[in-house]
Amino acid sequence: EDQVTQSPEALRLQEGESSSLNCSYTVSGLRGLFWYRQDPGKGPEFLFTLYSAGEEKEKERLKATLTKKESFLHITAPKPEDSATYLCAVQARWGLQGAQKLVFGQGTRLTINP
Amino acid sequence: DAGVIQSPRHEVTEMGQEVTLRCKPISGHNSLFWYRQTMMRGLELLIYFNNNVPIDDSGMPEDRFSAKMPNASFSTLKIQPSEPRDSAVYFCASKRVQGSTYTGELFFGEGSRLTVL
Repeated sequence: EDQVTQSPEALRLQEGESSSLNCSYTVSGLRGLFWYRQDPGKGPEFLFTLYSAGEEKEKERLKATLTKKESFLHITAPKPEDSATYLCAVQARWGLQGAQKLVFGQGTRLTINP
Repeated sequence: DAGVIQSPRHEVTEMGQEVTLRCKPISGHNSLFWYRQTMMRGLELLIYFNNNVPIDDSGMPEDRFSAKMPNASFSTLKIQPSEPRDSAVYFCASKRVQGSTYTGELFFGEGSRLTVL
């Protein structure tokens, strides 16, 4: 069964204090790993897609990396507006008519204190 | 451009009542997904459609749940009869799939928060 485990569940940082969020996955035939940001009362917002081990993507203070077993979301010099829940998801199968389901982790609730 | 539009945003109902949640996907998107989010189970896929056709409904919890997509711009998720354990936030999401290309970018609506008393 495809599984996604995120750690830590919650993380509190001071503004400017860099850190990393972890996403470990168990899936047969990874087709893609996705990071989303979710603010309270809102739907998840797409951040990154990673397709193969060694791939990296960056956006402002965020950088996502991927290995064969896990992904990291590195946040550099965070600001209070980076506070949100960060969700990781994997796509296990491919095909227009096939299963395109994303299996989500439970998320990491990130709080950046000013 | 308008995003995925869901209604109602909040619904409070009593056990046994019928609940209908509505979704308008982004124009031009041909895949539509219904997810449910709870504290205990996180985000779970209930059902998804490609070109208005249900492809995978294995996540639908039981026969009390049903979903339809009568056209490319509208979908409903119905719960009848509703139970307290159905209380959750229900998200609709859509994306555009072309050929064998999978972009991975799923656009979510703001969600419908359902409370069943």
